[in-house]
Amino acid sequence: ETGVTQTPRHLVMGMTNKKSLKCEQHLGHNAMYWYKQSAKKPLELMFVYNFKEQTENNSVPSRFSPECPNSSHLFLHLHTLQPEDSALYLCASSQDESHRGGAETQYFGPGTRLLVL
Amino acid sequence: AQKITQTQPGMFVQEKEAVTLDCTYDTSDPSYGLFWYKQPSSGEMIFLIYQGSYDQQNATEGRYSLNFQKARKSANLVISASQLGDSAMYFCAMREPRMDSSYKLIFGSGTRLLVRP
Repeated sequence: ETGVTQTPRHLVMGMTNKKSLKCEQHLGHNAMYWYKQSAKKPLELMFVYNFKEQTENNSVPSRFSPECPNSSHLFLHLHTLQPEDSALYLCASSQDESHRGGAETQYFGPGTRLLVL
Repeated sequence: AQKITQTQPGMFVQEKEAVTLDCTYDTSDPSYGLFWYKQPSSGEMIFLIYQGSYDQQNATEGRYSLNFQKARKSANLVISASQLGDSAMYFCAMREPRMDSSYKLIFGSGTRLLVRP
């Protein structure tokens, strides 16, 4: 399944670096999501974009800055991160709720494994 | 508040046997959706199966079936004829309704399944 792609797959950065994560979906969906998955913790929703508008910021520190230029692309800009930000960052997309059943499903990309030194 | 509980941190199953992964949920909303995802060591979250709260029949997708017991608020995943490739983390999730047409998934803590040859 290559409906949702993420680059890079792996990233090592220092605390003073600036980097960006990219997500692209080829499914014609309207909503896109960023999740953080740390070791031994449940998946945490970070941001939601619906029709390019940010509809959720789940108390995420400002060192994470999302950008959604269109419904197919989602970025996560990173700057002055901390070692505790090391995690797997997952992007997902979904149709809107006007569709029934399985069309509500969120489809995930392969994730970016981030290590902050 | 909505909540998903997976009480089995780890499970073993013999190849070719069936296994049940437990999931209980808590919600006051009459309309909800339940999902199961598989996460191999590569990190990607793979959608397996969906059950809507108003669906009359238990969902099935190939070797995956969902044992949906609404009164007990449980949505257990049954994997029949286990294969070595089924070894992975399995997450139960529930859709949380939102005002806009995107939606939020609440994830459980996951169950690690190991299939023995």
